[in-house]
Order: sequence, then structure tokens, then C-alpha cells
Amino acid sequence: EADIYQTPRYLVIGTGKKITLECSQTMGHDKMYWYQQDPGMELHLIHYSYGVNSTEKGDLSSESTVSRIRTEHFPLTLESARPSHTSQYLCASRVHYEQFFGPGTRLTVL
Amino acid sequence: DQQVKQNSPSLSVQEGRISILNCDYTNSMFDYFLWYKKYPAEGPTFLISISSIKDKNEDGRFTVFLNKSAKHLSLHIVPSQPGDSAVYFCAAKSIDTGNQFYFGTGTSLTVIP
Repeated sequence: EADIYQTPRYLVIGTGKKITLECSQTMGHDKMYWYQQDPGMELHLIHYSYGVNSTEKGDLSSESTVSRIRTEHFPLTLESARPSHTSQYLCASRVHYEQFFGPGTRLTVL
Repeated sequence: DQQVKQNSPSLSVQEGRISILNCDYTNSMFDYFLWYKKYPAEGPTFLISISSIKDKNEDGRFTVFLNKSAKHLSLHIVPSQPGDSAVYFCAAKSIDTGNQFYFGTGTSLTVIP
């Protein structure tokens, strides 16, 4: 059973706030991912990481940053939240080609 | 442009019958395909996968078929059970961008008792 955690599960904030979505895994996986998903839509890659101190941008990365200082921790930061950031954010870690997803963070920006 | 497409947003099937979920793709560089299952308020969970060198992979009630010439794969669930009711996502990996995965929009399966 995979152990990957995301906090908070739900977040409602005002425009312009800086927020950090937390993601942690206990499986020691090197590869980790952040996706954004709107209802009825596909998962869009925001950022991914090969391992500690190694991150790459995905299709939707321009308004967010990530860090990977420890293998188990992969936080996502939005410097200035906007209503267009309202979405579900999914974190995943990967072994071979299989990804293990966290439960997601539902973000609403007012 | 969406490279993985699931054209059926929803599917309803009677318990005990076969569920067939379909997925089409456009990128001929895709070499590995996966199916994920998602319940409400949870993240997707891995279900079954297939390499492009195969045309079928089976795991219990779940079978994935790959037709490379048609760029089409399907997931068969036999027999369908009410607990199978969930959203199913098809995903693919490209041989030239090995760390990125492309997902479809999902098909919501309802198995009617």
C-alpha cells in the first residue's frame, strides 16, 4: 500500500495570497509529480522531480514553483493566488511506470 | 492538443455484465499505457498497464487490449461489480519524454446492482 500524503485537503483563500501545498511520501521514491485537474478534464502536469535538487517544469508551471530538498517532501508554492488557480491539485510519486497519487488538495481562490 | 482521448464521459452497465472502456491516442511514440481508477475525494489508483510490445494484459477481472495500428486501447471488466463504479483514466508515456505521462479526461463508470 502506497503512503503519500497531501495537506491541506481543502483550502479557500483570497486573491493575492501566497500558498504552499504540501506533499510527502514514505516510500523513498525518487520521482514525484504535481498535477492540476479540473472536473471532467485530464490531469495537466505542473512540475516533476527526478530526485533531490532536481525539478522540471510541466505544461502549467509558469505560476508556481516547487522544491525538492528531501526525497520524501515535494511542496508546491503559488506566489500570488488568482481565481484561475481554483482547481484540484494532485501529487504523485512513481516507481517504474506506476504512479501513486495522494488524495489531492481542493483549492478555491476567491 | 490532447494526445490521449476518452470520448465517452460516462458508461452504465448492469452488475455481472462486461464493462468496456475505450481510449484513443494520437502519438505514435507512446510505448506504455496505464489505467487508473478514481473514487470521489480520493486520488487515482493504478489498475493495470500494458507495454506497446504486447497486445493484451490480464489481471483478474481486468484486461487491457492494445491495438497499435488503430492507436486504440480498451479496458474490459468482467464481471462488473458495483464497487467498480468510479472514474477511469487512461494514461500514456512517450518513449522520447520518458518522465511525462499524458492522461485522458476519464470515463465515469456506473455499475447498476
